[in-house]
Amino acid sequence: KAGVTQTPRYLIKTRGQQVTLSCSPISGHRSVSWYQQTPGQGLQFLFEYFSETQRNKGNFPGRFSGRQFSNSRSEMNVSTLELGDSALYLCASSLFPQEAGELFFGEGSRLTVL
Amino acid sequence: GQQLNQSPQSMFIQEGEDVSMNCTSSSIFNTWLWYKQEPGEGPVLLIALYKAGELTSNGRLTAQFGITRKDSFLNISASIPSDVGIYFCAGPHDSGTYKYIFGTGTRLKVLA
Repeated sequence: KAGVTQTPRYLIKTRGQQVTLSCSPISGHRSVSWYQQTPGQGLQFLFEYFSETQRNKGNFPGRFSGRQFSNSRSEMNVSTLELGDSALYLCASSLFPQEAGELFFGEGSRLTVL
Repeated sequence: GQQLNQSPQSMFIQEGEDVSMNCTSSSIFNTWLWYKQEPGEGPVLLIALYKAGELTSNGRLTAQFGITRKDSFLNISASIPSDVGIYFCAGPHDSGTYKYIFGTGTRLKVLA
């Protein structure tokens, strides 16, 4: 079956702009988690959605937001972009909430902020 | 955020050599997972461990769930160039905000 699909794969924005990233989970998976990955910080948890509800949110400013639709697809938005937001943004899906076990990752969306 | 401690941080090995890496925590985990991430890609699940003492293999990879439940080990036998990447341990861990904890990663480079 199809894996986790993230779009776009690459994008370049300038400071102050906003960006929306999309994630389509594996069919049947109801949990979608988002992570930010930078070389020095590893995988940093952003938020998790399950059945359209945000379950958890990591320590990121309010400029980072997300949502999940009834078909389990999820989007995350970053407003007023800063240079430090340049990173690989990873989406992971799972059948059950995160703590139940295995996460399956997409290939990521690489954001560059100039 | 919380992370699991992995060692070594990086490894440079010759093709054909065996590799060992480990992951430790100060608290107990009931599940351990190992992921591999290649450059520019997302992590891929390699092995999942669900029981203390469990030893599971996936091809040339073998992982073990430590008896204390506070550690896990991953071994790669007869390494090949395509083993290059970052290996992360991870586990579900209900600690407030963070329900799923990732290790700091072990970067592996294989010299042909």
